[in-house]
Amino acid sequence: GNSVTQMEGPVTLSEEAFLTINCTYTATGYPSLFWYVQYPGEGLQLLLKATKADDKGSNKGFEATYRKETTSFHLEKGSVQVSDSAVYFCAPNSGYALNFGKGTSLLVTP
Amino acid sequence: NAGVTQTPKFQVLKTGQSMTLQCAQDMNHEYMSWYRQDPGMGLRLIHYSVGAGITDQGEVPNGYNVSRSTTEDFPLRLLSAAPSQTSVYFCASSWGPGGKYGYTFGSGTRLTVV
Repeated sequence: GNSVTQMEGPVTLSEEAFLTINCTYTATGYPSLFWYVQYPGEGLQLLLKATKADDKGSNKGFEATYRKETTSFHLEKGSVQVSDSAVYFCAPNSGYALNFGKGTSLLVTP
Repeated sequence: NAGVTQTPKFQVLKTGQSMTLQCAQDMNHEYMSWYRQDPGMGLRLIHYSVGAGITDQGEVPNGYNVSRSTTEDFPLRLLSAAPSQTSVYFCASSWGPGGKYGYTFGSGTRLTVV
């Protein structure tokens, strides 16, 4: 099955700083890749996705590119806001369910 | 369009009690799955279903049972609750071949076993 390695948190950034959260995975074949976000006290929301190699997913200023050669799907944002404070999960699709990384907690301070 | 509905939102059980966590979706999705979320562990797959009448075990299935008699419903049963089952449980449904295009999650059930 797939496995996911996600950078450990917590990550603390000042508002308007650049964000990168690394994610690498192992998989058979070429799974769809997802980033989910969980705001404090809430459930999981789909942030962005990529379904094939070299696809770039984007949403709310966040971006991630499906890199087949390095089996990576790093999440980036050019200028974070306080409202981006949340836990971010990288999750490849196994073909019937999601395999989650352990999550990266992000705190953005004013 | 309600999406994925989970009930109850909160539950406290005594050790040894049984209960069913309900999950229903109204999007006609074939794939459904249950996860538990524990601090520092991310989300781990308990059971999944690829269609009515078809279920299989995930990473942490012990102590849980599922069935899928309809496309809409995918209940999770705790047979004899243990404190180790204290967790937040999420149900999801997905679309596209093998869930390729995305997963929609319910709002979760916070379960405490005392």
